[in-house]
Order: sequence, then C-alpha cells, then structure tokens
Amino acid sequence: AQKVTQAQTEISVVEKEDVTLDCVYETRDTTYYLFWYKQPPSGELVFLIRRNSFDEQNEISGRYSWNFQKSTSSFNFTITASQVVDSAVYFCALTRNNAGNMLTFGGGTRLMVKP
Amino acid sequence: DAGVIQSPRHEVTEMGQEVTLRCKPISGHDYLFWYRQTMMRGLELLIYFNNNVPIDDSGMPEDRFSAKMPNASFSTLKIQPSEPRDSAVYFCASSQDRVGQPQHFGDGTRLSIL
Repeated sequence: AQKVTQAQTEISVVEKEDVTLDCVYETRDTTYYLFWYKQPPSGELVFLIRRNSFDEQNEISGRYSWNFQKSTSSFNFTITASQVVDSAVYFCALTRNNAGNMLTFGGGTRLMVKP
Repeated sequence: DAGVIQSPRHEVTEMGQEVTLRCKPISGHDYLFWYRQTMMRGLELLIYFNNNVPIDDSGMPEDRFSAKMPNASFSTLKIQPSEPRDSAVYFCASSQDRVGQPQHFGDGTRLSIL
C-alpha cells in the first residue's frame, strides 16, 4: 500500500521568510513518481513539479526548490523569500509505475504568508 | 492550450434532485479522473476512465453516484437522488497515457445540497 504524509497541517510565516513543506512517502515500488500540487484560495489544483524515483537531483525553479531524498523517503518543498501570493494549500502526491497514473495524495499543508 | 473544463462552477440544489456534473478533458489525454474534496475526507478518487472505459469505480460512495464517458472529450458524474452529505467540491482531471504523467485538474464544481 502507498501512503503520503504531510505532517504539517498549517504553517504561518511572514512575507520574505523561507519556508519548507515536508512530505514523507511509503511505497514498495522501486519505480514511482512524486508530485507537488498547489491549491490557492480560488480553489483550483495546479501541478507544480514531477520527480521520478531514479532522479534524485534537486530542482530549483525561481523561488521554489525541491529536495528529493530516497534514503529518507522524503520529497520536501522549499519556498524562498515567501510572498503573500504563495498562500495556498500544497499537496504532495505519489503514483506507481502503472495503475493509470493514479495519485495517492497527502493531506495537504496550508501555508499562510502574512504581509 | 485549453485545460480541463468543468461545468457548472457552482451548483446549489435541494436534496432529492438529480445533479449532473460535466467535464471536458484535455485533448489527447486518455485518462480521466473524478475526485471529491471535503474538509473531513480531503481528496478522494471516485472513478477513473482509460480510453472512455471505466477502470476503477471503487471510490464511488453509493449507487446514487454514476459516471459515464460517452466519448474522448466528455464525461459526466451524476448524483441521483442528491443528499446534503454530497456537498463538496468535485474535480475532474486528465492525463496522458504514459507512465508518470501528471494529472491536470479542472477548476472544480462546488456543489451544495440543501
């Protein structure tokens, strides 16, 4: 069985602070894919990034960076110099190497960035 | 490129009424998923289709729920009769038929059953 845990249900920071959202996963598969999605207050779910289990390189996109560590089964997401527009619920998700790209979602972390 | 399109965006109806939610996936995507999101249960997968064929409907809560995909560009999720506990945001998502492809979500339908 697969499982994704986002232990931080809610985080509050002040604008310009750095913040890291934790994601820990469980799977018996050797090949799998990890995702992050953003759900802003307007409600839509926006795909941010995908990482496959063979690629442990960290990725940076502007103020966003992702740290994938297979040894600890973690795929953490860091926002540098946070902005109010970053306020959203962020979901980490896992899919297997088959099964129609079905996603197992974590419970989400609500990030509030205060001005 | 057009994303996943859902309609209506909001629906308010009285219990006992039939509700039909609609979804147009991204062109060329062979997988279509229906989710329900509530505060209590988070995101739940209800059913998904591959090439218009339902593959797994184990998440459909009751017989009151049904979903169809008559062609590659259209799917419906129907609730009949609706109940207040069906109030939620319903999302449709689609993905390409390649391993590891991300799902792309529509804006959702916010359903309120009075």
